[in-house]
Order: sequence, then C-alpha cells, then structure tokens
Amino acid sequence: KQEVTQIPAALSVPEGENLVLNCSFTDSAIYNLQWFRQDPGKGLTSLLLIQSSQREQTSGRLNASLDKSSGRSTLYIAASQPGDSATYLCAVRRDAGGTSYGKLTFGQGTILTVHP
Amino acid sequence: DARVTQTPRHKVTEMGQEVTMRCQPILGHNTVFWYRQTMMQGLELLAYFRNRAPLDDSGMPKDRFSAEMPDATLATLKIQPSEPRDSAVYFCASGLVGVANTEAFFGQGTRLTVV
Repeated sequence: KQEVTQIPAALSVPEGENLVLNCSFTDSAIYNLQWFRQDPGKGLTSLLLIQSSQREQTSGRLNASLDKSSGRSTLYIAASQPGDSATYLCAVRRDAGGTSYGKLTFGQGTILTVHP
Repeated sequence: DARVTQTPRHKVTEMGQEVTMRCQPILGHNTVFWYRQTMMQGLELLAYFRNRAPLDDSGMPKDRFSAEMPDATLATLKIQPSEPRDSAVYFCASGLVGVANTEAFFGQGTRLTVV
C-alpha cells in the first residue's frame, strides 16, 4: 500500500526566503506526482505535475523535482511571499496495472506561513 | 474555463437524514474521484470511477455510502443515514487517465455538517 509523507508538517518563514518542502513515497511504481496548493476553506489547486520519466518541472517561482528510485520529491519556492501562505499537498498517481491504475494517494500536507 | 463543479457547497443536516452530493466532471475526462477531507485523516479516497464504472470503492463505508455515475456528466455520492462522524469536506476530482495522463482537477468541495 502506497504511503506518502510530507515533511515538515508546518513551516513559518519571513518574506523573501527560499524554502523547500519535502514529499516521500514508499512505492516507486508511480506514473506521476502532482503538487497542489489549498487555501483555507477552499479546494485544491494544481501547481505542478511531474511525469515519472522527468526529473523536474518549473512554474514561475516554483520548482519541483522527482527522484523516483529513492521515492522523493521536493517543492522549491523561491523568494517567498505572504500570498504563498497555504497548505501544500503532494499526491502520487499509481503506475499501470490493475484497477488502481491512476489512483491518487495524498500526503498530509505542509502548512506554510510566510510573514511580512 | 473548464472546471469541476460540485453542489451544494455547504450542507447542514440532521443525523439520520439522507445526503446527496453532486459533481460535474470536466468534459472529456474519463476518471472521477471522490475524496473526503478531515483534520484528523487528511484526504481519503472514497471512490474512483473510470469511464463511469466503479474501480475502487474500498475506502467507502458500504453500509451507508454509495457512489454512482448516472452519465458522463454527473457523479453522485449519497450517505444514508448520515451520522455526525460524516461531517467533513467532500471533494470530487476528474482527470484523463490512459495514454496521456493529465493532472487531476478538483472541485471546490461540499462542506457537510451532520448535527
């Protein structure tokens, strides 16, 4: 059974800092990994999708890396801003095979607070 | 602007009542997920459909929960009878799984309170 762990559970940083959020998974048979952002009381917004054959993806100040063999992904946020404050979730999609193909398993999330 | 639409956004009901939540997935997506989010458990997968067929509902309490896709534009999640422990936010998501695996897109959720 796939388990996804996110470290740290919470992070508080001053504005302008570069930061790294970590995600690890126990089963490396994944098809892709997706990072989401969730604001309080809101739904999930997709940030980045990395296919298992890729090493990293970038979008603006966000960079996500994937090391499938070691079961790890990191989300790097450059020059953090108060507007980045939210919960960040990673989710892995299972690789081909059986009825679980395509199933998304989530970590518990990292609560990020960026203070001015 | 394609999006997943969930109704209602909020629902307060009394214990024992039936609750129906609806989801309209993004047109063309072949996969629909139902998740439940609580502070204690985080996001839990309840049910998962591919091409309207249920593939995995092992996370769903079978005695009171049921999930269906009457057609490609509608997914429903029913709870009967509802209990206070069912209070949570229920999310629907859709995606295209197959030759080209795309992102999963989430709706805004239905916040259910059972009193």
